[in-house]
Amino acid sequence: NAGVTQTPKFQVLKTGQSMTLQCAQDMNHNSMYWYRQDPGMGLRLIYYSASEGTTDKGEVPNGYNVSRLNKREFSLRLESAAPSQTSVYFCASTRANTGELFFGEGSRLTVL
Amino acid sequence: AQSVTQLGSHVSVSEGALVLLRCNYSSSVPPYLFWYVQYPNQGLQLLLKYTTGATLVKGINGFEAEFKKSETSFHLTKPSAHMSDAAEYFCAVRSRGNEKLTFGTGTRLTIIP
Repeated sequence: NAGVTQTPKFQVLKTGQSMTLQCAQDMNHNSMYWYRQDPGMGLRLIYYSASEGTTDKGEVPNGYNVSRLNKREFSLRLESAAPSQTSVYFCASTRANTGELFFGEGSRLTVL
Repeated sequence: AQSVTQLGSHVSVSEGALVLLRCNYSSSVPPYLFWYVQYPNQGLQLLLKYTTGATLVKGINGFEAEFKKSETSFHLTKPSAHMSDAAEYFCAVRSRGNEKLTFGTGTRLTIIP
C-alpha cells in the first residue's frame, strides 16, 4: 500500500532554475495539498485542490504553480527558483469531509 | 479564519513522567482538531483527532487529548513518557466547511533518560 508518493526526495537547484515536484496518491482521495515546512514555522499551505480540475491558493503561493493532472496526481512547479524556496515540501491527500491528511515522506529542496 | 497556537517550541520530560503539549485554536465555526507526530526525516502521521462527540479523544501510542470549547484548547497528554516518544508534534485545526488544514508551529519533545 503506497499511500502518497513524492518525487524526487532530494534536489539541489541553482537560483533561476525550474523544477517540478511530483505527487501521486492511490487512496482515491478527492483533496490534495502541498505544504512547505521550515524550522520554527510549522507547515504552511502553498496550494490545494479540493477535486480534480480545481486548485486554490493557500498561505504562501507566490513563486509556485500547481497542476491537478487527474484524481491521483498533483504537481508543484517552481518556475524560477529562489533561495527563499529552500525547504522541505510535503504532499498530502484526504477524503472529503474527514480532515485527516495522509502525508508523503517529503522532498528536500535546496536552492543555491 | 482559523489559527493554532502551540505553547513551547521545545519541551523536555524525564522518561516515565507526564507529557503535556499545549494547543489553543481559533475558529469562527465548530472545528475539527488534530495532533500529528513527525519522527526525524519522515512525513507527518496522525496521532488522534476530534470531530464530534466525546471530547476526550484517545490516539495511538497511549496519547490522548481533550477538546475544551470554553478554553479553546486541545492539549495533548500521555501519562508516562517513553524514549520512543521523542519527536516533533503538530496541532492542527480545520473549520467545518473549509478544505484547508492549518498547522501550529510545532513542539519538539525530548525525553531525558
